[in-house]
Amino acid sequence: NAGVTQTPKFRILKIGQSMTLQCTQDMNHNYMYWYRQDPGMGLKLIYYSVGAGITDKGEVPNGYNVSRSTTEDFPLRLELAAPSQTSVYFCASSLDGSTNPTQYFGPGTRLLVL
Amino acid sequence: LAKTTQPISMDSYEGQEVNITCSHNNIATNDYITWYQQFPSQGPRFIIQGYKTKVTNEVASLFIPADRKSSTLSLPRVSLSDTAVYYCLVGVVNTGGFKTIFGAGTRLFVKA
Repeated sequence: NAGVTQTPKFRILKIGQSMTLQCTQDMNHNYMYWYRQDPGMGLKLIYYSVGAGITDKGEVPNGYNVSRSTTEDFPLRLELAAPSQTSVYFCASSLDGSTNPTQYFGPGTRLLVL
Repeated sequence: LAKTTQPISMDSYEGQEVNITCSHNNIATNDYITWYQQFPSQGPRFIIQGYKTKVTNEVASLFIPADRKSSTLSLPRVSLSDTAVYYCLVGVVNTGGFKTIFGAGTRLFVKA
């Protein structure tokens, strides 16, 4: 049981490039989340999903897109990367959002946009 | 949205008990209160969760008063390895769009 896995661990992008951050969970959780964490700051929710085929915006969705075609996978797409997207990105999952809302986090992807 | 307020930082010494209080004045009826711990370069890790009164597990206790407008995380006999950022999280996520919010967290520094 690997929990939540993220790839890549680290990436450098040039301004205007695009990439997909991968997230997979093997706990059969319904809910999945993407957060970003800037240096010395708390986590900000980018997008979340309450099940396959259902996604919704969080606090800071601009510049990102997500999809949830399966229960296990929740990729985050960055289009036209900008320096403001330099951050650490965490994916998380939870069984549900109410009675079992505990979130389990992946190790993070560190992204640098130059 | 249930916003949380925590102290920015706290210092302690090894062996002491540490209490971190979180204010959440507009907590909703069905909101849970969850605390996470984060070490540098790692994702947050679940510590404890509660709805009301007191909850205790092997690492911490969580005290929630009757009005639920605040909660206190209690770490007994801290060690150097407890130096981390602690986040209080209030809320639920559902298809109605209610979103959980992580605050800035409390940086706990444990000294020898």
